[in-house]
Amino acid sequence: DAGVIQSPRHEVTEMGQEVTLRCKPISGHNSLFWYRQTMMRGLELLIYFNNNVPIDDSGMPEDRFSAKMPNASFSTLKIQPSEPRDSAVYFCASSAEWHLETQYFGPGTRLLVL
Amino acid sequence: GQQVMQIPQYQHVQEGEDFTTYCNSSTTLSNIQWYKQRPGGHPVFLIQLVKSGEVKKQKRLTFQFGEAKKNSSLHITATQTTDVGTYFCAGALSGGSYIPTFGRGTSLIVHP
Repeated sequence: DAGVIQSPRHEVTEMGQEVTLRCKPISGHNSLFWYRQTMMRGLELLIYFNNNVPIDDSGMPEDRFSAKMPNASFSTLKIQPSEPRDSAVYFCASSAEWHLETQYFGPGTRLLVL
Repeated sequence: GQQVMQIPQYQHVQEGEDFTTYCNSSTTLSNIQWYKQRPGGHPVFLIQLVKSGEVKKQKRLTFQFGEAKKNSSLHITATQTTDVGTYFCAGALSGGSYIPTFGRGTSLIVHP
């Protein structure tokens, strides 16, 4: 299995631009998680989906962030407009079920907003 | 919200010394997971503990879940340079959403 796939791996953009991060979970996994990692705040859960349905988005920092999962094999996290404080590593993870299960992380997208 | 506290934040050791990181929750956990993240990498699952007082071993790594299911520890015996990285615990709240909450992690630096 290829594992969780994320793209792009690196993104450098200017403040105000739209950023779209993409994730392909492991085939057969029902749950997908988006995390943000920074030195200041550690690993934060932004949102998670179960069977393509958003279950909890309370971790999404503000309205500039949105996430979708149109089908079982694809999810996006969009930031519009981006700000320098959004600079972080964004991880996508998937698991077989949404609770009490091992999470498999993708390699992450390193985002720098200038 | 649920808090999972992890200490220490950093630990420097000489190669061959032992290392321990501790994870504490104010509420009872359904289970606890441990992950390792190498520098520049992503978190990788190590193990899951479910039962009160459970102890599991993986070669030089020993994982323990407290009797009250509110704390856990990871102990590495005779560290090697390959052990370098950040170790995270992730606890799922008993009776809650069961989604693991990650601690801040302990970064282990091993000096050869």
